[in-house]
Amino acid sequence: TQLLEQSPQFLSIQEGENLTVYCNSSSVFSSLQWYRQEPGEGPVLLVTVVTGGEVKKLKRLTFQFGDARKDSSLHITAAQPGDTGLYLCAGVGVGYSTLTFGKGTMLLVSP
Amino acid sequence: EPEVTQTPSHQVTQMGQEVILRCVPISNHLYFYWYRQILGQKVEFLVSFYNNEISEKSEIFDDQFSVERPDGSNFTLKIRSTKLEDSAMYFCASSAEQGRGSYNEQFFGPGTRLTVL
Repeated sequence: TQLLEQSPQFLSIQEGENLTVYCNSSSVFSSLQWYRQEPGEGPVLLVTVVTGGEVKKLKRLTFQFGDARKDSSLHITAAQPGDTGLYLCAGVGVGYSTLTFGKGTMLLVSP
Repeated sequence: EPEVTQTPSHQVTQMGQEVILRCVPISNHLYFYWYRQILGQKVEFLVSFYNNEISEKSEIFDDQFSVERPDGSNFTLKIRSTKLEDSAMYFCASSAEQGRGSYNEQFFGPGTRLTVL
């Protein structure tokens, strides 16, 4: 059974602060995806990382895949209220085609 | 931008009734999935579908569940006899590629909220 542990579960910060969200597992993943989910809506894909050590940037968001492809992080620089939402990591296990999701990190950015 | 669509957005049914949830995947995608999310819990995989057959399914996907691609655009999930614990958001997803070395990027629909009374 593959498990993805996300931390922290909840994060409440002020506008302009930086933050990092972590996604950890004991399993190796062939790819790992980060999604953002609004209440009552489906997950929206932000980025996919495939190569160990890979870093991808999406405006103020920086995603990193661990060298061993077991963990990932999401760093947000100068957070804005519009960044508020549930951030989910989801991995595709080696030899599988389905996504295993973490429980998510709920981010609240206050003005 | 192409997107996955789902209907209905909300379905209320009585326990024991059959429901069919509908999805239209992104048009050039070949791999289709159903996931569910019970309120307050994480998204869970149900089933994947490729080339008109199930390729993987989870323990949740028992004999009460079935999937079908009745035509070239729709992908459906049927629950034959709904139970109270089937109440959840059901998400359809699709991807263009799969397998070792692929990105397997899955794009999700907005979901159907199923409420079983």
